[in-house]
Amino acid sequence: NAGVMQNPRHLVRRRGQEARLRCSPMKGHSHVYWYRQLPEEGLKFMVYLQKENIIDESGMPKERFSAEFPKEGPSILRIQQVVRGDSAAYFCASSPSWGGSYNEQFFGPGTRLTVL
Amino acid sequence: KQEVTQIPAALSVPEGENLVLNCSFTDSAIYNLQWFRQDPGKGLTSLLLIQSSQREQTSGRLNASLDKSSGRSTLYIAASQPGDSATYLCAAAGTALIFGKGTTLSVSS
Repeated sequence: NAGVMQNPRHLVRRRGQEARLRCSPMKGHSHVYWYRQLPEEGLKFMVYLQKENIIDESGMPKERFSAEFPKEGPSILRIQQVVRGDSAAYFCASSPSWGGSYNEQFFGPGTRLTVL
Repeated sequence: KQEVTQIPAALSVPEGENLVLNCSFTDSAIYNLQWFRQDPGKGLTSLLLIQSSQREQTSGRLNASLDKSSGRSTLYIAASQPGDSATYLCAAAGTALIFGKGTTLSVSS
């Protein structure tokens, strides 16, 4: 049973470009969470999704950031018109279908985004 | 709004010592509390999860306790080893996980 998979592991973008980060949850998991870890900061919650639904996006910046978890395929975190302040490690986590947020979250290895 | 604080921010100990990492949270209405380990430049490894109805969990040399009424959790590491050197994060679970900033542990041989 493969763990949570994220790709790419490292992503370099120039200011103004778009960044797309992908997350495939563990088999049998239908809850996906995205977190961001800025340099010298703790991990901050961004968004919580289930298949085809955004459940909680209270941690998402209001502009340029969006997330989706389609019926088929991985969850995507999209950052438009990236700025240097978006440079961070972005982690995805998944949890099982039952129990919702009561369940243990399993984390992927992260995508390290560098904006030049 | 939930806030999670971890003390100390950094800790250096010689190999073999027993040690305690502290985590406090402001809102006791949590579903569970998780402890993670993060190595430099790496992802998170889940160590222990304590459900809100539980008082403690044990795994090998690790023991985590939870006192919801006082908003505290501790991670006890017995007989520390150089391989335990990492950053330890605690996270309180509401809708999502709220993380502390971590305790960076260095164990010298």
